[in-house]
Amino acid sequence: GQSLEQPSEVTAVEGAIVQINCTYQTSGFYGLSWYQQHDGGAPTFLSYNALDGLEETGRFSSFLSRSDSYGYLLLQELQMKDSASYFCAVILLRGSGNTGKLIFGQGTTLQVKP
Amino acid sequence: GAGVSQSPSNKVTEKGKDVELRCDPISGHTALYWYRQSLGQGLEFLIYFQGNSAPDKSGLPSDRFSAERTGGSVSTLTIQRTQQEDSAVYLCASSLTSGGMNTGELFFGEGSRLTVL
Repeated sequence: GQSLEQPSEVTAVEGAIVQINCTYQTSGFYGLSWYQQHDGGAPTFLSYNALDGLEETGRFSSFLSRSDSYGYLLLQELQMKDSASYFCAVILLRGSGNTGKLIFGQGTTLQVKP
Repeated sequence: GAGVSQSPSNKVTEKGKDVELRCDPISGHTALYWYRQSLGQGLEFLIYFQGNSAPDKSGLPSDRFSAERTGGSVSTLTIQRTQQEDSAVYLCASSLTSGGMNTGELFFGEGSRLTVL
């Protein structure tokens, strides 16, 4: 089977840096994505790691290590508007390609305090 | 607009009734997904369509749930004989693929909130 684990809640202050971890147990996967969801809103895409290493997009960075079955999302210079839920998701692997099926973690609620 | 469109945005129904939820994906997106999200929970995979391939139905929770995608575009998720535990937000998403490979980026609609009384 497949499962992804994330902390349920993280709290940080404005201007700080926070790291949200995602560990996974799957039979094989193709890549790791991160999504943000504000209360009552639709999930929005943040980043995708197809390869090991760090991907940087502005204040957000994402990291993947397949050997450690581990990834994380790093948010820098936190702002109040970053308060939201963050989900990691894996694209499952089938044969030489990917199924396209994305399995999501249960999400991490980030609360940014003044 | 150019985004994923879902209807209805809200649906209240009585236990035992059938409901249909509609999704219009972004034009040109060959992949379409349905997820279910209960309050404060993660996204539960339901079904995935990719081009003309047979859909991946492995996430459908029971045979009361079905989905179809007509002409490779619009999709309808049908729930028969609704139960109270079906109450949730049903999210549709679409994505581009390149050579049959998923890009990892899904575009979500605003969801259809279903309440079963």
